[in-house]
Amino acid sequence: GNSVTQMEGPVTLSEEAFLTINCTYTATGYPSLFWYVQYPGEGLQLLLKATKADDKGSNKGFEATYRKETTSFHLEKGSVQVSDSAVYFCALVSSGSARQLTFGSGTQLTVLP
Amino acid sequence: GAVVSQHPSRVICKSGTSVKIECRSLDFQATTMFWYRQFPKQSLMLMATSNEGSKATYEQGVEKDKFLINHASLTLSTLTVTSAHPEDSSFYICSARRSLSGGYTDTQYFGPGTRLTVL
Repeated sequence: GNSVTQMEGPVTLSEEAFLTINCTYTATGYPSLFWYVQYPGEGLQLLLKATKADDKGSNKGFEATYRKETTSFHLEKGSVQVSDSAVYFCALVSSGSARQLTFGSGTQLTVLP
Repeated sequence: GAVVSQHPSRVICKSGTSVKIECRSLDFQATTMFWYRQFPKQSLMLMATSNEGSKATYEQGVEKDKFLINHASLTLSTLTVTSAHPEDSSFYICSARRSLSGGYTDTQYFGPGTRLTVL
């Protein structure tokens, strides 16, 4: 079956530090990959996505590259801000899964001023 | 944009009562909507997939008679928690998948969630 493994948190960084949150996946076929962000007490917001190998998704300074050879989709940001504090979820949709999202466990990020 | 709303955002009810949660896609049509449940500090658990005009598909372990789902139009799905009990207290989140001519995209857009507390 499909699965997503995320780097366990919580992650605490100082403002302007470099961020990496690791994400690897197992899936049938050629999945689409997503990063969602959840701020406290809110639903999920799509942060970025990539639909095929070597695609790079980017938004708000965050980037992730779809690496089929390593089945990874690591999230990076060069300089985090306090406002980036949230829970980040890696997810996939696979052709064999009735197009349902499979989520990772989420990574709590706290950025300190 | 792709905006999904949920109503109410918070609800507190007594044990044994029923609660209805609405999920609306405000600026797009959604053939398919999904209902999730999230426990504190955990990931989202898919409860059911709702297709417009047909019966919902429930995930294993989710009681369809307890969690009634109706998807009567391309912009509205409702989840009714019947005879709610304290163990049903949770954060319920819906999502909608945009329908495009000739197919759909894989991207789901999420509502802001509904916090249900059953006393």
